Amino acid sequence: AAGVIQSPRHLIKEKRETATLKCYPIPRHDTVYWYQQGPGQDPQFLISFYEKMQSDKGSIPDRFSAQQFSDYHSELNMSSLELGDSALYFCASSLRREYDTQYFGPGTRLTVL
Amino acid sequence: AQSVAQPEDQVNVAEGNPLTVKCTYSVSGNPYLFWYVQYPNRGLQFLLKYITGDNLVKGSYGFEAEFNKSQTSFHLKKPSALVSDSALYFCAVRDSGPGAGSYQLTFGKGTKLSVIP
Repeated sequence: AAGVIQSPRHLIKEKRETATLKCYPIPRHDTVYWYQQGPGQDPQFLISFYEKMQSDKGSIPDRFSAQQFSDYHSELNMSSLELGDSALYFCASSLRREYDTQYFGPGTRLTVL
Repeated sequence: AQSVAQPEDQVNVAEGNPLTVKCTYSVSGNPYLFWYVQYPNRGLQFLLKYITGDNLVKGSYGFEAEFNKSQTSFHLKKPSALVSDSALYFCAVRDSGPGAGSYQLTFGKGTKLSVIP
């Protein structure tokens, strides 16, 4: 079965640089979620999109922005990167039904030097 | 607000023995509860969920979980542990109902399961 695809899998950036993470949801899933998992931490919700509109917003810094495109893929844009942004970034997708399961991608490991 | 507690950072169990990974939750409405497993440098894999109905939920790889509303718990269990079950396990919750609003999951801190041969 098709899974959530994330690219790149690994990314190394310098402080104050920008980064773009991409997420391709499971076919026919209409909702995309972004989570951040710091070293040894639990995943923290950042933001989600339903039918290309922002639906929920969590602890996403103002330096970050995201959008969902017409083909339902999503991009997380991160600017003015800080050392503390080093983390594993997960994308998940689901159908927008209340009880539906979020399926997670393999994650993008971002390292900020 | 919704929250999850996993009281054990680590659980060690001998191969072949039953295992339990504990989870308690707090929500204002009715909970949707999930268990995910994470292997090193990998994504989160869905194991099982409780939405409504039977309190005992069966999932992937022989895992099951028991929902207990009075104790606000959703413990993960397996009758016979395998070495390959060694991983990090996350419990997650989402509040249900029209007033809950967000579909975001709130995760516990995770429990590292080590199955000893």
